[in-house]
Amino acid sequence: DVKVTQSSRYLVKRTGEKVFLECVQDMDHENMFWYRQDPGLGLRLIYFSYDVKMKEKGDIPEGYSVSREKKERFSLILESASTNQTSMYLCASSLPLAIYEQYFGPGTRLTVT
Amino acid sequence: KNQVEQSPQSLIILEGKNCTLQCNYTVSPFSNLRWYKQDTGRGPVSLTIMTFSENTKSNGRYTATLDADTKQSSLHITASQLSDSASYICVVSSGGYNKLIFGAGTRLAVHP
Repeated sequence: DVKVTQSSRYLVKRTGEKVFLECVQDMDHENMFWYRQDPGLGLRLIYFSYDVKMKEKGDIPEGYSVSREKKERFSLILESASTNQTSMYLCASSLPLAIYEQYFGPGTRLTVT
Repeated sequence: KNQVEQSPQSLIILEGKNCTLQCNYTVSPFSNLRWYKQDTGRGPVSLTIMTFSENTKSNGRYTATLDADTKQSSLHITASQLSDSASYICVVSSGGYNKLIFGAGTRLAVHP
């Protein structure tokens, strides 16, 4: 059974803080993804990674960076958090040729005050 | 522009009743369409996946249909239960499997 875990379910940070969101998957998937989910909008892709140390920008990468030092772990970094980054953040993973079959983590609800 | 639109935005039904959720897409090229269920505060979980050649696929009380000609899909829930209360998200895969387009979801509330 695929398991994708995220380091925090809820986070409250102040404007300007550096924020780390961590995601770990246990199925040896090559692909990992970070999305944000806002009310009334579909999930929007921030970044994805198809291999260790490899990353690609998604649709809304501004204000975010990522790190993938190990295959099972994919981190999303907010260098200087802003209030418009208050959102639900979802991590997902998939096999390399099955990007359409993504397994999601439980999400981190981030509030920036 | 590739888009996935879902309707209604929200829906309230009584326990035991049936309901149908709609998904219209303008995605090209089309690869497949998947319905996810997302419980409050949880990540999405896949219900069904349909390719171009499939018209209907069932998963227990959930039945998805796909009309590739009109670019419409529906998710029918039979004999609803309180545990069906969730958001249902339609996702279309495009461009050789390397791009997913997400709908905004339909929020379903099942009341006793």
